[in-house]
Amino acid sequence: QVQLQESGPGLVKPSGTLSLTCAVSGGSLISDNWWSWVRQTPGRGLEWIGEIDQSGTTNYNPSLKSRVTISMDKPKNEFSLNLRSVTAADTAVFYCARSLGVSGYYYRLDVWGQGTTVTVSS
Amino acid sequence: DIQMTQSPSSLSASVGDRVTITCRASQSISSSLNWYQQKPGKAPKLLIYAASSLQSGVPSRFSGSASGTDFTLTISSLQPEDFAAYFCQQSYDTPWTFGRGTKVEIK
Repeated sequence: QVQLQESGPGLVKPSGTLSLTCAVSGGSLISDNWWSWVRQTPGRGLEWIGEIDQSGTTNYNPSLKSRVTISMDKPKNEFSLNLRSVTAADTAVFYCARSLGVSGYYYRLDVWGQGTTVTVSS
Repeated sequence: DIQMTQSPSSLSASVGDRVTITCRASQSISSSLNWYQQKPGKAPKLLIYAASSLQSGVPSRFSGSASGTDFTLTISSLQPEDFAAYFCQQSYDTPWTFGRGTKVEIK
């Protein structure tokens, strides 16, 4: 079955760029799914960051849109998150997840990575 | 954004109890509502999708229902492994949004 694994630096300096990668195994990135990033903090709870589909089409949370880029590397079967100009408020546990739907409806995050903690600090 | 108001924020219950958690959407979201369970240090796990469809492999003691913009997750007989946090999430319109969660604790 499909498994996801996040990777990337656990510490990022303020004003820098947070970069994470999600490796997809047991399945292909090229499928009728969307691939999402979600973050979690004690203060804001779970927050959907954005998603990408196999064509490279992206949707972003408007609250982060100006700072976020989600991309995919099809040969490597992985997708990535870049979050620019980070501050301490961006410290969170970041998850990648598969968004599965039926005929464009009833999407749900049915497979999740284990999560990776990213701290923004100098 | 669609706001999801989840209640209660926490509850204490005993093994065998029937537990109900509610989520209210700020506008109509049809049946585009999912429920997740999260244990400490772990990723959320999908329990219910499309308001009432049980995810494969999830015990049948979990069920979901909907009435207008109100959605309910019910655990018919709480088991020791069910003590966890539960979140609702709407997938009617992006940005997908989550409820703040309900922590189910042992009484």
